[in-house]
Amino acid sequence: GNSVTQMEGPVTLSEEAFLTINCTYTATGYPSLFWYVQYPGEGLQLLLKATKADDKGSNKGFEATYRKETTSFHLEKGSVQVSDSAVYFCAHVASGGSYIPTFGRGTSLIVHP
Amino acid sequence: DGGITQSPKYLFRKEGQNVTLSCEQNLNHDAMYWYRQDPGQGLRLIYYSQIVNDFQKGDIAEGYSVSREKKESFPLTVTSAQKNPTAFYLCASSIGSGGSNEKLFFGSGTQLSVL
Repeated sequence: GNSVTQMEGPVTLSEEAFLTINCTYTATGYPSLFWYVQYPGEGLQLLLKATKADDKGSNKGFEATYRKETTSFHLEKGSVQVSDSAVYFCAHVASGGSYIPTFGRGTSLIVHP
Repeated sequence: DGGITQSPKYLFRKEGQNVTLSCEQNLNHDAMYWYRQDPGQGLRLIYYSQIVNDFQKGDIAEGYSVSREKKESFPLTVTSAQKNPTAFYLCASSIGSGGSNEKLFFGSGTQLSVL
């Protein structure tokens, strides 16, 4: 079946540290892949996406590359800020079928000054 | 500004009571969704609707009901049959054109607690 697996949090970093949040997926066909971010007390908002193999999504200094051979979509940022503290969700939408997104469990990021 | 509005932001339910969470969008989106968020469990799909007057059960529909009488509105009722309703509820919408690359737009959520 379709699923998304994210690394468990919380991830705790100092400001300006390098960030990686791992995400792997299982899906039939060729899904589109997404990272959403949720700030405290709010809904989710799209951070970046990639729709085919080897595509790189990027936004606000965050990047993720669609790796079909490893079924992964790891989120990276070279230098995190305190304002990046949030919960990050990896998601995919499988091609064909009902196009309903499948979300991972979310990874909490805490950045200390 | 276009967006999704959820109300109320906080809601309290007494035992045996039904409560309704509101979700309105002015994005002209066809598809709307309800998710439940519990700490450490991510998002779980309750119901979704891809067109007016039609909706489908998600993974955890028991104890919930919805209606989709208007394109812009997708209210969720938490019934007394839902024995553990305390959670953060998120409404979302998407264009609904049937592509896998559509993003979801989310409301700011409703925190439901049991008195």
